[in-house]
Amino acid sequence: GQQVMQIPQYQHVQEGEDFTTYCNSSTTLSNIQWYKQRPGGHPVFLIQLVKSGEVKKQKRLTFQFGEAKKNSSLHITATQTTDVGTYFCASTMDSNYQLIWGAGTKLIIKP
Amino acid sequence: DVKVTQSSRYLVKRTGEKVFLECVQDMDHENMFWYRQDPGLGLRLIYFSYDVKMKEKGDIPEGYSVSREKKERFSLILESASTNQTSMYLCASRKGGTSQPQHFGDGTRLSIL
Repeated sequence: GQQVMQIPQYQHVQEGEDFTTYCNSSTTLSNIQWYKQRPGGHPVFLIQLVKSGEVKKQKRLTFQFGEAKKNSSLHITATQTTDVGTYFCASTMDSNYQLIWGAGTKLIIKP
Repeated sequence: DVKVTQSSRYLVKRTGEKVFLECVQDMDHENMFWYRQDPGLGLRLIYFSYDVKMKEKGDIPEGYSVSREKKERFSLILESASTNQTSMYLCASRKGGTSQPQHFGDGTRLSIL
């Protein structure tokens, strides 16, 4: 079936280092949504990208949608302890109802 | 703010029991979803509903059923619980089309003994 591949599964960083997670698809994506799930919490919507080459920023977070609309990335500059959690990408692909989810990238801040 | 409420945060049941997980949303959303979340597997869709009394199978419907008698309530039913259904269950709702965000409840951590 249709899949959205997300890498890496885990990333350990020192506080203050940058973090990036990537989502890839073999087919063109109609959109990409990003969610954050804090430890013990539930996924919370961050942002949606729909246009080819689109770049959006939320403070230290930068979201990109590839020119071919087959990949996307989330980059966090100078991570803080509040960034800890799992980041998911998701896309509707060609469905009218459901999202296809990436497996998530867990951000771990090393003490 | 959208509020999605799941009836239990933690639940322990025995193999073979019939288990009901309840989800209520207060924002008149048409679409509701049930997922299970397991480590390393992300969110997997069990069932969804786009209107009252309407339901569609997701990716892993086996062993589950759902009920949507009222717009605000979407119930997940484990007909005969098995140990491999031990998991975190997340309910979500969404207004309108797929370009809208999904709003999640806090989840139910279900253990089947």
